[in-house]
Amino acid sequence: IAGITQAPTSQILAAGRRMTLRCTQDMRHNAMYWYRQDLGLGLRLIHYSNTAGTTGKGEVPDGYSVSRANTDDFPLTLASAVPSQTSVYFCASSVIAGGYNEQFFGPGTRLTVL
Amino acid sequence: AQKITQTQPGMFVQEKEAVTLDCTYDTSDQSYGLFWYKQPSSGEMIFLIYQGSYDEQNATEGRYSLNFQKARKSANLVISASQLGDSAMYFCAMREFNTGGFKTIFGAGTRLFVKA
Repeated sequence: IAGITQAPTSQILAAGRRMTLRCTQDMRHNAMYWYRQDLGLGLRLIHYSNTAGTTGKGEVPDGYSVSRANTDDFPLTLASAVPSQTSVYFCASSVIAGGYNEQFFGPGTRLTVL
Repeated sequence: AQKITQTQPGMFVQEKEAVTLDCTYDTSDQSYGLFWYKQPSSGEMIFLIYQGSYDEQNATEGRYSLNFQKARKSANLVISASQLGDSAMYFCAMREFNTGGFKTIFGAGTRLFVKA
């Protein structure tokens, strides 16, 4: 593994189903983030984690939950998917939260909720 | 109110010419950072350049430079000598160090088309 991996690459999901998007980084970065990208809206922060064991809400957290049990993994869960959650989801990480720290992004997960 | 505004949904530039992508931001924080990312059609996000609010010099990275005008709250990206591979979506982003916590706010993006 080099950098950030996300799984699955894409997924079609029936509304009401539960779904977990996986994110793993091997850079030992303390901070991790989940964004969704929608046309015309850029990237919007869903949840973030400054360090293992802590999480925080971003701009659009409703309908999503995250956990950070260890440094490397930061899964994003949709408890009951709705069509408005159709989007491309990006996981990112940075050495530490805040300040100048470049965020490294995963390749993205394209999710379609029908 | 929008924190980051990119007013150009799409831009065309001739190969080998320079192009400026506009970005204005809104913050009351004195300490903040501005970022530009590139997203090619393959979808990955690529970090290009960073400017800190206290940096007196405009940031440069190879063919990329950031025209930082603090009083106007603008952070335009200048790409010199455009190449076909520069065709992509470009996002401006801001992180407020004191008031924004750990959040990076992105603009809606500008799609750049480089013509041969």
